[in-house]
Amino acid sequence: DQQVKQNSPSLSVQEGRISILNCDYTNSMFDYFLWYKKYPAEGPTFLISISSIKDKNEDGRFTVFLNKSAKHLSLHIVPSQPGDSAVYFCAGTDYGGATNKLIFGTGTLLAVQP
Amino acid sequence: DTGVSQDPRHKITKRGQNVTFRCDPISEHNRLYWYRQTLGQGPEFLTYFQNEAQLEKSRLLSDRFSAERPKGSFSTLEIQRTEQGDSAMYLCASSFSAGQYFGPGTRLTVT
Repeated sequence: DQQVKQNSPSLSVQEGRISILNCDYTNSMFDYFLWYKKYPAEGPTFLISISSIKDKNEDGRFTVFLNKSAKHLSLHIVPSQPGDSAVYFCAGTDYGGATNKLIFGTGTLLAVQP
Repeated sequence: DTGVSQDPRHKITKRGQNVTFRCDPISEHNRLYWYRQTLGQGPEFLTYFQNEAQLEKSRLLSDRFSAERPKGSFSTLEIQRTEQGDSAMYLCASSFSAGQYFGPGTRLTVT
């Protein structure tokens, strides 16, 4: 079963506009969530994270929102830049667990058009 | 740059051969993870080390796979008798707390 779902395989936005990437999870044990950005042939790069005790975390142009009741999180990028074009993965983990292994979604390919 | 490093970056091997990958984590990180990523999927957890102890292995890690972290620093992942289905990107990550930092990965192609 897929515990983390990113239902939009791709997203295209214009430079300067807002990009909103969505993620749903099913595992109630998840209490920490992370977003990663990945370019082809490179490893994922950590972007931003959020603990389940918060509903929002902001870092520069990146903001992550968490709706625990809906088991939904989203990543907002504003303003979007062409360099943001990449695959974005969300991941959840049971931070109180033994290993903190990450469970990833399948990713969303973001294309920011100049 | 003192990030996570992996070697080699690319490996092409024939089916049935053994391969070994190396991961050097960020020096102060005591946690080390291996993941595998195939096309169109997110990374999937393979195994976890805390210092030198291997504390969890995924069911994805068949008997042909073995991982070590002998001195709690670098780690190796060996695949014996490779199969075409082993072709993937093998990613290593390290952490000290919640966030995991990934290396560039090793792209394995089994022909």
